[in-house]
Amino acid sequence: SAVISQKPSRDICQRGTSLTIQCQVDSQVTMMFWYRQQPGQSLTLIATANQGSEATYESGFVIDKFPISRPNLTFSTLTVSNMSPEDSSIYLCSAGGVSGSDTQYFGPGTRLTVL
Amino acid sequence: ILNVEQSPQSLHVQEGDSTNFTCSFPSSNFYALHWYRWETAKSPEALFVMTLNGDEKKKGRISATLNTKEGYSYLYIKGSQPEDSATYLCAFDPGGYNKLIFGAGTRLAVHP
Repeated sequence: SAVISQKPSRDICQRGTSLTIQCQVDSQVTMMFWYRQQPGQSLTLIATANQGSEATYESGFVIDKFPISRPNLTFSTLTVSNMSPEDSSIYLCSAGGVSGSDTQYFGPGTRLTVL
Repeated sequence: ILNVEQSPQSLHVQEGDSTNFTCSFPSSNFYALHWYRWETAKSPEALFVMTLNGDEKKKGRISATLNTKEGYSYLYIKGSQPEDSATYLCAFDPGGYNKLIFGAGTRLAVHP
C-alpha cells in the first residue's frame, strides 16, 4: 500500500491568484494522478503526472490552467492558476501501479475556496 | 462519454441493518471496477478492485459482486455500524490505464 499526504489541506484564495498543491507518497510509485471534485459532482480526473515529462491532460483540462510537475517517483505538484470561484473544489492526488487492476491510493485532498 | 451511476444517492439505516447499493457502468470496454469508502476530511479508502465477471470479494462485513456483462456491481454491508457512515464510491476503468471514472457516490448514515 501507499500513504499519501497533501499540503495544504485547505485554503481560501482570492480570484486571480494561483495555488500550488503538493503531493508526497511514502514509497516510489509508477503512476500519479490528480483529480478534482467540484461541489455536488463526481471525482473527475484532471491529468496523469508523468515523471520526467509533461503531464497528460484529460479533455477539458489544459496545462496553462493546471500546470503539473513530477520531479521524481514520490512527489508531484498541481498548480491552479488564475483562479476563479468555479475552481472551488476538493483536489486529490492519487498513486498506483501501471495496471488498471492495481489498487489506486488517494491523498486526503486539498479543499480550495476561491472568493 | 462514459457514465457511472450509483444508487441510491443517500441512505439512512439503523445500527444492525444490512444494506446494499448499486453501481452501474458501461458493459463494453470493461477492465476493472473499484470501490472506495470516503469519510469527510480523510483519504478515500480502497475497498475492492474487481476485474472478472462473477467476481465476489469480501472484507469483514463488506462484500461486493460484479456483473460485467450487464454492467453493474453491488456493495453489501452486513450488520451496519455507525462507523460505516461514509460515502461509498465506485470507479470504472475502461482501458486498464488506471484512469478512473467515478460515480457520484452513495452517502450512508448509520444511526445508533
